[in-house]
Amino acid sequence: GENVEQHPSTLSVQEGDSAVIKCTYSDSASNYFPWYKQELGKRPQLIIDIRSNVGEKKDQRIAVTLNKTAKHFSLHITETQPEDSAVYFCAASREGNNAGNMLTFGGGTRLMVKP
Amino acid sequence: ETGVTQTPRHLVMGMTNKKSLKCEQHLGHNAMYWYKQSAKKPLELMFVYNFKEQTENNSVPSRFSPECPNSSHLFLHLHTLQPEDSALYLCASSQDVGVAFVYEQYFGPGTRLTVT
Repeated sequence: GENVEQHPSTLSVQEGDSAVIKCTYSDSASNYFPWYKQELGKRPQLIIDIRSNVGEKKDQRIAVTLNKTAKHFSLHITETQPEDSAVYFCAASREGNNAGNMLTFGGGTRLMVKP
Repeated sequence: ETGVTQTPRHLVMGMTNKKSLKCEQHLGHNAMYWYKQSAKKPLELMFVYNFKEQTENNSVPSRFSPECPNSSHLFLHLHTLQPEDSALYLCASSQDVGVAFVYEQYFGPGTRLTVT
């Protein structure tokens, strides 16, 4: 089955700096990669996703890049703000095989943005 | 209420007890999921239901028994649990399980379970 590794497990940055979280996956057939954000005591929420037909996707201050050859994808947050502090989870799945929503999650990254 | 709701929010049970967790979604979705969130494995898929039919059982011990009477409700029946089952149990729903397209999963607030 799929295995997703996520690094780092904790990340501390100064407000205004950039943050990068990296994930690797094992199943070369995986083609859908979402990122979820979980604030303290709250539920996980989807913030961005990418499909394997593109290499990069941006949404305001967040972007995700995908390298299918190397089987890794990354989340980039620019101009970090205190409200970006949360745990971020990457995930992978195989869209189009009747099991696309069977997400395998990485171990999570706790991001702390210091004011 | 809107979105995905879960009850109870906190539950303490002994190893010989039987209890049930309830999840309800108000989004008109057809797929529902149970996840276990613990320090060891932050987000671990347990069960998936699509149109009330179980489509995935991720090698979960039989002391966890899911039930999906309709597309809006999902239960997790618990019996003879172990202390290592203490965790946050999250329910989620999506439009369906994604035959050709992966749909966003909407999570509930979770039930914090402590097994004593």
